Amino acid sequence: SQQGEEDPQALSIQEGENATMNCSYKTSINNLQWYRQNSGRGLVHLILIRSNEREKHSGRLRVTLDTSKKSSSLLITASRAADTASYFCATARAIGDTGRRALTFGSGTRLQVQP
Amino acid sequence: ETGVTQTPRHLVMGMTNKKSLKCEQHLGHNAMYWYKQSAKKPLELMFVYNFKEQTENNSVPSRFSPECPNSSHLFLHLHTLQPEDSALYLCASSQGTSGGLYNEQFFGPGTRLTVL
Repeated sequence: SQQGEEDPQALSIQEGENATMNCSYKTSINNLQWYRQNSGRGLVHLILIRSNEREKHSGRLRVTLDTSKKSSSLLITASRAADTASYFCATARAIGDTGRRALTFGSGTRLQVQP
Repeated sequence: ETGVTQTPRHLVMGMTNKKSLKCEQHLGHNAMYWYKQSAKKPLELMFVYNFKEQTENNSVPSRFSPECPNSSHLFLHLHTLQPEDSALYLCASSQGTSGGLYNEQFFGPGTRLTVL
């Protein structure tokens, strides 16, 4: 199964409402990152939270991290139609037997914000 | 603009063709990545280059052949592909380090590949 799994798979809300997306992971992490992807485009980095941090803000984004539950949440406040996109969490995993790590991405949450 | 460009943006090819995808980053990064994104599947990491050294080949079929001539350029050479290889191919870059490759990644816009 995936290292990072987002929940829900799809979310539809009205403009102005808050959107909350969750991510669960299995192994220890150095950091957890959230990315956004508009349809058919590349991913854009939103926010990075380190394993020793519990909460981080960036504009209308709020990310929390609970390492004891191996979970993170992304909250978008006062959503806008332009927030419509897929949102992915990413965590580091080992690269074979190298001892090094690289990011792996979850399946994403598809957010639809209705105007 | 993320500082990572990919060409072409769209590619249609037959199963017997040979084509190449190109990625270029203008961010001074040392790590570059190829990902495959298929419909309804998670992003799949294909190849990782760190300081021009290939550090991961994620069990990718040999019909995909990467090339990294320098830290700014990454190619994906394609030959005898299958229809199931149709997908969005994304290139990314990040600061490379000896200890890990889990810094913020910057993605290109992707190449939409269709194999007939």
